[in-house]
Amino acid sequence: AQSVTQLDSQVPVFEEAPVELRCNYSSSVSVYLFWYVQYPNQGLQLLLKYLSGSTLVESINGFEAEFNKSQTSFHLRKPSVHISDTAEYFCAVSVLDSSYKLIFGSGTRLLVRP
Amino acid sequence: DTAVSQTPKYLVTQMGNDKSIKCEQNLGHDTMYWYKQDSKKFLKIMFSYNNKELIINETVPNRFSPKSPDKAHLNLHINSLELGDSAVYFCASSQDFSYNEQFFGPGTRLTVL
Repeated sequence: AQSVTQLDSQVPVFEEAPVELRCNYSSSVSVYLFWYVQYPNQGLQLLLKYLSGSTLVESINGFEAEFNKSQTSFHLRKPSVHISDTAEYFCAVSVLDSSYKLIFGSGTRLLVRP
Repeated sequence: DTAVSQTPKYLVTQMGNDKSIKCEQNLGHDTMYWYKQDSKKFLKIMFSYNNKELIINETVPNRFSPKSPDKAHLNLHINSLELGDSAVYFCASSQDFSYNEQFFGPGTRLTVL
């Protein structure tokens, strides 16, 4: 069975500091990888995704994630965070079998302090 | 224009009642989903419909019944509500079941007293 692990339930950082949110997955078959962001009282929004090609993917607001197949990881990074980045971040995998369903991690709350 | 909308946003009800949550998407997508997010923020898929046909049905009590009257709508009816049903329910849609960018609605917070 596939699973996604986000080890950190909450990550507090100061504004303009760098941050890394960790995500590891387990799967016996190929996967697509995603990061979704959930701002307070809102639904989830896709932040970035890895389907194939370059293992480093970037979002429009400065986040990036790197797919590491040997370590089965897809960590999310940002070199300098803003207060507005405060949100819940979910890592997810889509197993490339017949179901294509998304399996989510338990989420990491990024709390950016001034 | 809201891409994926849900009604109601909040729902407070007593144990044993029957309630429905409605979802509509105006993206022209073929596939729609229902997710449950519990108090620990854990998000799990419940159902998925593609072109009005059920394609994913996770281990969900049969008190939960999804209904898709057309491609743009996927409603969730819950019978005999229990305390453990309290959660935030999210509707989502995607272009088709193999295209994995899903667009989420704002959620419905269900509280069962």
